[in-house]
Amino acid sequence: EAGVAQSPRYKIIEKRQSVAFWCNPISGHATLYWYQQILGQGPKLLIQFQNNGVVDDSQLPKDRFSAERLKGVDSTLKIQPAKLEDSAVYLCASSYSRTSGGQETQYFGPGTRLLVL
Amino acid sequence: AQSVAQPEDQVNVAEGNPLTVKCTYSVSGNPYLFWYVQYPNRGLQFLLKYITGDNLVKGSYGFEAEFNKSQTSFHLKKPSALVSDSALYFCAVRDPPGGYNKLIFGAGTRLAVHP
Repeated sequence: EAGVAQSPRYKIIEKRQSVAFWCNPISGHATLYWYQQILGQGPKLLIQFQNNGVVDDSQLPKDRFSAERLKGVDSTLKIQPAKLEDSAVYLCASSYSRTSGGQETQYFGPGTRLLVL
Repeated sequence: AQSVAQPEDQVNVAEGNPLTVKCTYSVSGNPYLFWYVQYPNRGLQFLLKYITGDNLVKGSYGFEAEFNKSQTSFHLKKPSALVSDSALYFCAVRDPPGGYNKLIFGAGTRLAVHP
């Protein structure tokens, strides 16, 4: 079974530029998550999709971050404009969960390492 | 709100010795607890989880974890450490228990196994 795919693996940009990350979840997984992992910290959830819909974006900086999930499969996370403090690893994860209350495990992709100069 | 704490930034152990990576939790209701491992330049890999049932949970790569309700702990253990176990370990709790499976992670513990 193929895992969660992410691209690119690395990205270096200057502040105020824009950047986009792509994620393809495990086939059949209804729920998709984007996490931000700053160096020395644990991952923090940015946004969570259940199929096409957003179920949690409470920690997403909406003035600069946006995300969409096309047709309930792939997802794109965008930052515009980037700030120095956005330097982090952006992790995508997916789980089978189709309703709330599920106990399914989240499976993570390799991440995209972003450096903002 | 749910939270987990990993009190040790780093754990050092000699190869062949038992290892323990500590995690304590604070939750309302029954906790759903997880352990993940992260190798350099790779994403998080699932090791094991506790939902209900037996307090001793067995997982991947010979790891196990013991759920202790009275001490609100979920420590990760392995009887005999390998150099290849050297990595960053994260404890996580599901938030909220009946919600959409959001995970709250600890800050991580770096495990160094020396030959």
